[in-house]
Amino acid sequence: DAGVIQSPRHEVTEMGQEVTLRCKPISGHNSLFWYRQTMMRGLELLIYFNNNVPIDDSGMPEDRFSAKMPNASFSTLKIQPSEPRDSAVYFCASSSPTSGGPGMYEQFFGPGTRLTVL
Amino acid sequence: AQKVTQAQTEISVVEKEDVTLDCVYETRDTTYYLFWYKQPPSGELVFLIRRNSFDEQNEISGRYSWNFQKSTSSFNFTITASQVVDSAVYFCAHRSAGNMLTFGGGTRLMVKP
Repeated sequence: DAGVIQSPRHEVTEMGQEVTLRCKPISGHNSLFWYRQTMMRGLELLIYFNNNVPIDDSGMPEDRFSAKMPNASFSTLKIQPSEPRDSAVYFCASSSPTSGGPGMYEQFFGPGTRLTVL
Repeated sequence: AQKVTQAQTEISVVEKEDVTLDCVYETRDTTYYLFWYKQPPSGELVFLIRRNSFDEQNEISGRYSWNFQKSTSSFNFTITASQVVDSAVYFCAHRSAGNMLTFGGGTRLMVKP
């Protein structure tokens, strides 16, 4: 079975440019999560979707960040305009209520996208 | 609000030593779930174990074992006879209401040959 797929794996861009990160969750999973990992702040949840609907976006740092999930097999995280402080590894994860029993499901993480904003 | 503390930011051991990674959590919920993830140098996050708040039975999987103690709000992870391949950052995480995981700051384990 394919795991969570993220693209690109690495992105280098200049300040002010738009960046779009992509994620394909594991087939059948109905929850999708976007995380950001930095040395200073560790792993932070940015937003999560349940059945394609955003449930909690309180972790999104500011209006420059937006996320969409147009269907069950695809999600994007967009940063516009990007800034150097957005440099981080962005992880996408998915989970299903049925994996491990109701309420016990673990999240399966993608390989991450390493974003560098110059 | 939930909080997960991994007080050991970095641990260095020599191969074959046993090592314990500490995890302490704070929660007001009676039902919650605890997890450990491993992040090797390649960067991906690998799920290791989950435990629910009603199951305090310790678990052993090969060289890995987990000690869940509700009385001290701890969920510690022990690696027996450590190997160089165990070198990674290990994260403890908590989840109660809703889907959101709260991660600890991670412990970097370095196993030297």
